[in-house]
Amino acid sequence: GENVEQHPSTLSVQEGDSAVIKCTYSDSASNYFPWYKQELGKRPQLIIDIRSNVGEKKDQRIAVTLNKTAKHFSLHITETQPEDSAVYFCAASSLGNTGKLIFGQGTTLQVKP
Amino acid sequence: EPEVTQTPSHQVTQMGQEVILRCVPISNHLYFYWYRQILGQKVEFLVSFYNNEISEKSEIFDDQFSVERPDGSNFTLKIRSTKLEDSAMYFCASSQERRELFFGEGSRLTVL
Repeated sequence: GENVEQHPSTLSVQEGDSAVIKCTYSDSASNYFPWYKQELGKRPQLIIDIRSNVGEKKDQRIAVTLNKTAKHFSLHITETQPEDSAVYFCAASSLGNTGKLIFGQGTTLQVKP
Repeated sequence: EPEVTQTPSHQVTQMGQEVILRCVPISNHLYFYWYRQILGQKVEFLVSFYNNEISEKSEIFDDQFSVERPDGSNFTLKIRSTKLEDSAMYFCASSQERRELFFGEGSRLTVL
């Protein structure tokens, strides 16, 4: 089955700097890659997603890139703010299946003011 | 904005007791899921449900677990005889087209 590896497990940046989180997946049939942000004690919330027919997607300060050949995808956050501090999870899913998401281990991002 | 709601927010139970966690998915969604997250770990898939039946389940979802959609709005997860290792946050999620999953706030289960 699918396996998603995520790194780093923790990331500390200064406010205003950029943050990059990387994930790799194993199942070449996966074609949907969402990123979720989870604040302490809260539900995971979708912040951006990308499908395999697209190489890059951007939404304001957040961007995601996908390299299908290498089976990896990355989350880029620019001009980080303290409110970006949270745990970020990548996930993968394949078209035609039940919509099940396989999550990475999570990255705890700390943005220092 | 519609959202997935879950009850209870926190349940404490004794080992061996039955627990039912309840979820109300977003009304026009067709796909329903349960995930769990042990404290400090990643979110793990338990089961997916579509058209009134289980469409996929993980190896975690053994015979102690069951799901049901007893009416048009509720989606429940039952753990028949809880074990200490069942202690976790359980998230219900729903989606319209098997893509963007909307998660509930979670039910924290503590097994003593």
